[in-house]
Amino acid sequence: DQQVKQNSPSLSVQEGRISILNCDYTNSMFDYFLWYKKYPAEGPTFLISISSIKDKNEDGRFTVFLNKSAKHLSLHIVPSQPGDSAVYFCAASLPNTGNQFYFGTGTSLTVIP
Amino acid sequence: GAGVSQSPSNKVTEKGKDVELRCDPISGHTALYWYRQSLGQGLEFLIYFQGNSAPDKSGLPSDRFSAERTGGSVSTLTIQRTQQEDSAVYLCASRHGTDGEQYFGPGTRLTVT
Repeated sequence: DQQVKQNSPSLSVQEGRISILNCDYTNSMFDYFLWYKKYPAEGPTFLISISSIKDKNEDGRFTVFLNKSAKHLSLHIVPSQPGDSAVYFCAASLPNTGNQFYFGTGTSLTVIP
Repeated sequence: GAGVSQSPSNKVTEKGKDVELRCDPISGHTALYWYRQSLGQGLEFLIYFQGNSAPDKSGLPSDRFSAERTGGSVSTLTIQRTQQEDSAVYLCASRHGTDGEQYFGPGTRLTVT
């Protein structure tokens, strides 16, 4: 049972424009959400996170938005750069536990120069 | 500084053989995770070690899978009597304590023929 879903397997965006990657979850108890970026033949690397007490977190070109009522989060990349081309995973975890992170299936972003 | 390393990077094995995958976490990280990513799937949690506590094995798909972590550092994931459906990329991650992001290794690509 996939508790974290990324329904778009791929996305193409022109360089300089905004990339919006979406993620939906089913478990309302999740309290911490993360985005990871993965290049081919490498492990995922942490990008940005957000706690459920917030609805927005910004770090440079990257902003994560959380809509708890809709159980939806999104990652915005502005402006998109060719080096952003990668697979992006969203992940979620439950409170008071360090063990399980639930990952989505990933969205492959291609930024076209 | 050294990140998480995994070996081998690629492993091809015949169905029915046993395999061992190794993970060297970041020094000082008390938490260690194993995940696998099958083709077209998200990261699937397998097992979690935290310090000297009993590991959380709830994600192991069958009793053919086992893992150990010696001396709170290096971990080995063992798959006995491999099956073709075990073919996947096996990722290891470590984390400092119970907060913050995980740092992933590059993964081991396992192919069972």
